[in-house]
Amino acid sequence: ETGVTQTPRHLVMGMTNKKSLKCEQHLGHNAMYWYKQSAKKPLELMFVYNFKEQTENNSVPSRFSPECPNSSHLFLHLHTLQPEDSALYLCASSPTLAGGPYEQYFGPGTRLTVT
Amino acid sequence: AQKVTQAQTEISVVEKEDVTLDCVYETRDTTYYLFWYKQPPSGELVFLIRRNSFDEQNEISGRYSWNFQKSTSSFNFTITASQVVDSAVYFCALSEAPGTNAGKSTFGDGTTLTVKP
Repeated sequence: ETGVTQTPRHLVMGMTNKKSLKCEQHLGHNAMYWYKQSAKKPLELMFVYNFKEQTENNSVPSRFSPECPNSSHLFLHLHTLQPEDSALYLCASSPTLAGGPYEQYFGPGTRLTVT
Repeated sequence: AQKVTQAQTEISVVEKEDVTLDCVYETRDTTYYLFWYKQPPSGELVFLIRRNSFDEQNEISGRYSWNFQKSTSSFNFTITASQVVDSAVYFCALSEAPGTNAGKSTFGDGTTLTVKP
């Protein structure tokens, strides 16, 4: 069973393109996360959503725009990216229950290359 | 502010050797949670263990064991009789108690473990 899915798995885009990454979780969780993973900084938290509300923006440039229409779906809209934005983008979800915080469940990631 | 340090960037062992991955953390909270995740070459991080700050009992799960010591702020992970399939990047993470940072984890930089046949 795949709890967290991400599409596309690979994406190549030019600096003037606009694209979106999609994440869907089938675990009934209420918190969702975007992370950037690159060789220079292994795992950087970008955004956190809790019950569809953004609770964390880790000083992410405005060329990355998240959207969380419901607790099961999370998007990352990309526009006018730079080559240094090339990285693996990971989505994760976790329960939001008393006694937490709880572990996160990760998707397989989208490998983004900006040319 | 919270911080997680995994001082070992890369470790290489031969199959069947035991290996310990170190994790040292910093936090001002008295209630917090520690985690270990495994990231195999396929890329997807897999949750291994969650431990709260009030439970200092060591845990064993098959070939995996964890040693939590609050006195030294460490949460080390040992793989006994390592296997090639254990080759992966291992991340240690820290989350403080629920509040404005509910669900937010600080990850270490990871330790790349290579197990050679």
